[in-house]
Amino acid sequence: GNSVTQMEGPVTLSEEAFLTINCTYTATGYPSLFWYVQYPGEGLQLLLKATKADDKGSNKGFEATYRKETTSFHLEKGSVQVSDSAVYFCALRGDTGFQKLVFGTGTRLLVSP
Amino acid sequence: DARVTQTPRHKVTEMGQEVTMRCQPILGHNTVFWYRQTMMQGLELLAYFRNRAPLDDSGMPKDRFSAEMPDATLATLKIQPSEPRDSAVYFCASGSPQWASGGNTIYFGEGSWLTVV
Repeated sequence: GNSVTQMEGPVTLSEEAFLTINCTYTATGYPSLFWYVQYPGEGLQLLLKATKADDKGSNKGFEATYRKETTSFHLEKGSVQVSDSAVYFCALRGDTGFQKLVFGTGTRLLVSP
Repeated sequence: DARVTQTPRHKVTEMGQEVTMRCQPILGHNTVFWYRQTMMQGLELLAYFRNRAPLDDSGMPKDRFSAEMPDATLATLKIQPSEPRDSAVYFCASGSPQWASGGNTIYFGEGSWLTVV
C-alpha cells in the first residue's frame, strides 16, 4: 500500500538557519503530495502541495519539489523564524481507490531566537 | 470563515464509559475523515465517508468503535466501552466534492482531546 517516510525529529535550528525536512514515499501510479503543519493545540493546516512530477509547491517561504525519480518531496525554507516552530507532516493521496490521505509520522521543528 | 467544528474539545472519562465525538463539516463538503493522533502511532485513519456513505473504516477497531453520518452536517465517532489505550486526539477533516476528482485539499478541525482513566 501507499506509505510516507519522514525524518525523525526534533529538528532544532537557530533563527534564520536553512531548513530541510526529508520525505520519501511509496506509491503506485501518480500520487499527489502534501505538506501539512500543526501548531500546538491546533489541527493540521495545508502548507503546500504538488500534484504531478517536477511540480514545486510553495507557501510562506517554504518549498517542496515532487521528484518522481527519487520518490521524494523534501520540505525546505531558506531562513526559518521562531514562529515556524511546529510539527510538519508529509502526506500522500493516491490516484486510485478512495483517495485516502496517508500521513508520515511528523517532524517537530524547534526554532530558537 | 468556514471551518470544521468538533465537539467536545476536551473530554476526560472513566474506563468503560461511552464516548461520543461530533463533527460538523464545512458546508457543502461531502467527504469526511476521522483520524486518531497519538505519540506512538502518529496519525491513523479510522474512517472515511463520502456523501454520508462509509467508504473505508478498515483502520477502526470494530469491536468498540463506530462511525456514522446521520446527516450531511453531522458526523459522529463513538467508543463503547472506552479504554485507557483510546486516549488520543481525534481529528475530523472534511473535503469538497473536488477532492474525489483529485483537486483541492481537506480541512481539519481542532480535534477532540480524549483522556480515558
